[in-house]
Amino acid sequence: DAGVIQSPRHEVTEMGQEVTLRCKPISGHNSLFWYRQTMMRGLELLIYFNNNVPIDDSGMPEDRFSAKMPNASFSTLKIQPSEPRDSAVYFCASSRTGVNQPQHFGDGTRLSIL
Amino acid sequence: AQSVAQPEDQVNVAEGNPLTVKCTYSVSGNPYLFWYVQYPNRGLQFLLKYITGDNLVKGSYGFEAEFNKSQTSFHLKKPSALVSDSALYFCASAQSGANNLFFGTGTRLTVIP
Repeated sequence: DAGVIQSPRHEVTEMGQEVTLRCKPISGHNSLFWYRQTMMRGLELLIYFNNNVPIDDSGMPEDRFSAKMPNASFSTLKIQPSEPRDSAVYFCASSRTGVNQPQHFGDGTRLSIL
Repeated sequence: AQSVAQPEDQVNVAEGNPLTVKCTYSVSGNPYLFWYVQYPNRGLQFLLKYITGDNLVKGSYGFEAEFNKSQTSFHLKKPSALVSDSALYFCASAQSGANNLFFGTGTRLTVIP
């Protein structure tokens, strides 16, 4: 059973550029989550989807961030334009629907904005 | 408001000794509690959960956690620590009716050979 797959694993780009992070959840999982992890702020939930519909995007830092889930097997997190303070590790996680279901995390995308 | 607290940023323990990583929670209603572990350059991995039932929950890699309602705690334990247990541990809570988790700030466990 393949886990959550994220790409790219590493991304280095200059400020002002558009960045797109990709996630393939585990097949059969209805919920998908995007997190950001930094030393200063720890693990932050950015947005989560249930059945491809965004349920809570209150964690999205600002309008430069957007996320989509066009189908059950793919999601993107886009930053445009990117800024140095966006540098972090971004994780995608998926789970079956239900508060008692554990989340399965990808190995993250390490993003560096120069 | 819902939250979890991990009062220790760092825990050091000698190999072979018992380990405890502390977590307290603040959840309205019945709490759903989880422990996750993160190894370097990896995503979080699920260890165990408490939903209902027995207060002592057993999970992966020999870990267990005890739900204590009166103390609002959910401490992670292991009888005998291994060097390979060295990692970052996160406690998390969820609320009935919601699908998202609230994570603690993490505790870095170092097992000394």
